[in-house]
Amino acid sequence: QKEVEQNSGPLSVPEGAIASLNCTYSDRGSQSFFWYRQYSGKSPELIMFIYSNGDKEDGRFTAQLNKASQYVSLLIRDSQPSDSATYLCAQREDSNYQLIWGAGTKLIIKP
Amino acid sequence: DAGVTQSPTHLIKTRGQQVTLRCSPISGHKSVSWYQQVLGQGPQFIFQYYEKEERGRGNFPDRFSARQFPNYSSELNVNALLLGDSALYLCASSSDWRNQPQHFGDGTRLSIL
Repeated sequence: QKEVEQNSGPLSVPEGAIASLNCTYSDRGSQSFFWYRQYSGKSPELIMFIYSNGDKEDGRFTAQLNKASQYVSLLIRDSQPSDSATYLCAQREDSNYQLIWGAGTKLIIKP
Repeated sequence: DAGVTQSPTHLIKTRGQQVTLRCSPISGHKSVSWYQQVLGQGPQFIFQYYEKEERGRGNFPDRFSARQFPNYSSELNVNALLLGDSALYLCASSSDWRNQPQHFGDGTRLSIL
């Protein structure tokens, strides 16, 4: 069964530091990944997507995909208290384009 | 531009009842997907509709059904509600069937008593 796994956390990071969130996956075939941020009681909000091996940067966020090791990461630079949320990783299947979701990592940024 | 809109925002039902949830996608988006999310878990896929046809179905019982209308809005119906159906129901839209990417509405919080 195809799976996406994330450490549930919480991951505690001091304000201004780099937060590193990781996601591992079992389906080698798919190369498309999405990172969503979900505040408590709210719906997921798209942060970034990455479709190829390597790094992709958008502002304070960098997504990294390592196909050989089957993991995808999200780095948040200059972490702010407003970044405190649960971060969901999703892999899009090549066969039917459906998303396989991790359970999310809870991130806490401490002032 | 309006994002994905869902109604109602909250709903309380009792076991055995039926419920209908509604979703309007982002303007120009033709694909709507429904998810169920329980606390502490990621969204679980229920259905995807594109151009009024079912494109995918998750591992949910037949009590769950959905449809998409000519204006691309969608309804999710759940019959014979169980306590375990209590969850946040999310609707996501995308421009095509390849889900690249999906954008979510605010969700409907369904509580079963």
